[in-house]
Amino acid sequence: GEDVEQSLFLSVREGDSSVINCTYTDSSSTYLYWYKQEPGAGLQLLTYIFSNMDMKQDQRLTVLLNKKDKHLSLRIADTQTGDSAIYFCAENNNQGGKLIFGQGTELSVKP
Amino acid sequence: DTGVSQNPRHKITKRGQNVTFRCDPISEHNRLYWYRQTLGQGPEFLTYFQNEAQLEKSRLLSDRFSAERPKGSFSTLEIQRTEQGDSAMYLCASSLGDRADTFGSGTRLTVV
Repeated sequence: GEDVEQSLFLSVREGDSSVINCTYTDSSSTYLYWYKQEPGAGLQLLTYIFSNMDMKQDQRLTVLLNKKDKHLSLRIADTQTGDSAIYFCAENNNQGGKLIFGQGTELSVKP
Repeated sequence: DTGVSQNPRHKITKRGQNVTFRCDPISEHNRLYWYRQTLGQGPEFLTYFQNEAQLEKSRLLSDRFSAERPKGSFSTLEIQRTEQGDSAMYLCASSLGDRADTFGSGTRLTVV
């Protein structure tokens, strides 16, 4: 079946790097996504990676994909207090594009 | 075009009442998705449309739920005879093709 799992909490100090991890089960997924959600708000797409890529870098964000282990990670360099939010990993269902989300990782950045 | 728009932002209703939410997707997007998010969880897929055709419905979408996209543009999600367990954030997303990456701000439903 389809399942996406993430650790629930991560706490870092301002200026450090944050690494949020995710595992998924559907090996046929075409895209894998990272979304950010601030309290009471909708989902903001941060970045995505094609399943045929190993890495994608976008400014402070680095996504690593290990297809063999079905493991996805998001690294945020120089984490700021404004990065405090819940981060969701999602894989797309290859039929129609619906997304399967993890339960989210709450990132807390301490000054 | 300012992105995916959802109305209302908040809705409080009494148990047993019917509610309807609206989603206006990005204008050139042919696909529209509805998700439900409960507190502390990730969004869960409910249903999606390609143009005006509803192509998939989740088992979460009970008989009390109905969604429409009559002209292939905006969509409505109606919940009949609301229950307290329907309290959640209802999120809409739209896409052109398979990459569903633009979400609205959601409608928060509270059933009292």
